[in-house]
Amino acid sequence: AQSVTQLGSHVSVSEGALVLLRCNYSSSVPPYLFWYVQYPNQGLQLLLKYTSAATLVKGINGFEAEFKKSETSFHLTKPSAHMSDAAEYFCAVSTTTSGTYKYIFGTGTRLKVLA
Amino acid sequence: DAGVIQSPRHEVTEMGQEVTLRCKPISGHNSLFWYRQTMMRGLELLIYFNNNVPIDDSGMPEDRFSAKMPNASFSTLKIQPSEPRDSAVYFCASRMGGAYSNQPQHFGDGTRLSIL
Repeated sequence: AQSVTQLGSHVSVSEGALVLLRCNYSSSVPPYLFWYVQYPNQGLQLLLKYTSAATLVKGINGFEAEFKKSETSFHLTKPSAHMSDAAEYFCAVSTTTSGTYKYIFGTGTRLKVLA
Repeated sequence: DAGVIQSPRHEVTEMGQEVTLRCKPISGHNSLFWYRQTMMRGLELLIYFNNNVPIDDSGMPEDRFSAKMPNASFSTLKIQPSEPRDSAVYFCASRMGGAYSNQPQHFGDGTRLSIL
């Protein structure tokens, strides 16, 4: 069955430190993968997406993610955290099996940035 | 460009009342999704429409919930009768493409529903 697992419901980093948010997926066919960000009282916004082109995907606000098929991972990184990065981040997978469409979100990781 | 528009932004009503949430997707998008978000259960897909036709409603909690999409520019999610456990933020999202699309979903700002 298709699934998305985000390790760590809460992550804290210091301002200027590396951000690493983990996402592992399970899919029987090559998936499309997405990272979204949600700021308070807002809907989800797309950060970046993987659609079987380059394995290293660059998104908005300095974020990037690397698709690693061998590890079934799509971790989100940013070299230097900024206070404005504090938000909740969701990994999502879009896939299909036997004609059944699935778009699955992970449970989210809340990022806290410490001054 | 106008994004996904949801109304109302906030709704407070008493248990037993009918609640109708509205969504206007982005023009040209042919897929529409309704989600519910709570602290306990996270983001749950309720129903998915493609070309105004419901494709997957397996996430609809129970018969009290119903969704319609009478045309490409409007959808409603109705709860009747409402219960306190329906309190949540309800999101509508739209996307270009069919079932297996690599296009991202675009979300509205949600409707915060409180059932007293």
